[in-house]
Amino acid sequence: DVKVTQSSRYLVKRTGEKVFLECVQDMDHENMFWYRQDPGLGLRLIYFSYDVKMKEKGDIPEGYSVSREKKERFSLILESASTNQTSMYLCASSAGGALSYGYTFGSGTRLTVV
Amino acid sequence: DQQVKQNSPSLSVQEGRISILNCDYTNSMFDYFLWYKKYPAEGPTFLISISSIKDKNEDGRFTVFLNKSAKHLSLHIVPSQPGDSAVYFCAASLGGSQGNLIFGKGTKLSVKP
Repeated sequence: DVKVTQSSRYLVKRTGEKVFLECVQDMDHENMFWYRQDPGLGLRLIYFSYDVKMKEKGDIPEGYSVSREKKERFSLILESASTNQTSMYLCASSAGGALSYGYTFGSGTRLTVV
Repeated sequence: DQQVKQNSPSLSVQEGRISILNCDYTNSMFDYFLWYKKYPAEGPTFLISISSIKDKNEDGRFTVFLNKSAKHLSLHIVPSQPGDSAVYFCAASLGGSQGNLIFGKGTKLSVKP
């Protein structure tokens, strides 16, 4: 089974802090994604990456950055956390062309910014 | 503009009956459609998919129907069980090796005993 592991299930951070959310996958997938899920808004794509050291902006990249130094690890960075970034953050990975099974998601990180 | 729409935020069904979750899309170039199921405090899990060259795909209690002319797909769950209570997301892909998925906003299904 493909495993996508997010380092924290729950996080509480203060406004203005720099926050790192880590994601690791163990199946050598090329593609990795960061989403946030909010009630009534569904899954919104923040950033994605098709290869090491490359990144592409998704639909809502403002206030976020990412890092992919190794194929298996994709980090989401909140440069200066704000209360409107309180959300469920979901990491996903996929093999190139494996559309029949889509993405494999991690269990999510519930981030609260106070 | 939303390319994948799930117009019903919630659906309530009696145990043993059929659940029908609907999804509409606007881009005729989508070539793959997927359904994901999400429980609270967990990540979404893949449920079933369908290629645009098919009109039906079945996997146990779950069947997905695709009507390309209407740009509409639906997920049927028969019979519904309380454990099916979750949020269901419809997703579509434009294909290619990278194949980003575009998600709907989700429908919360409640199956009552």
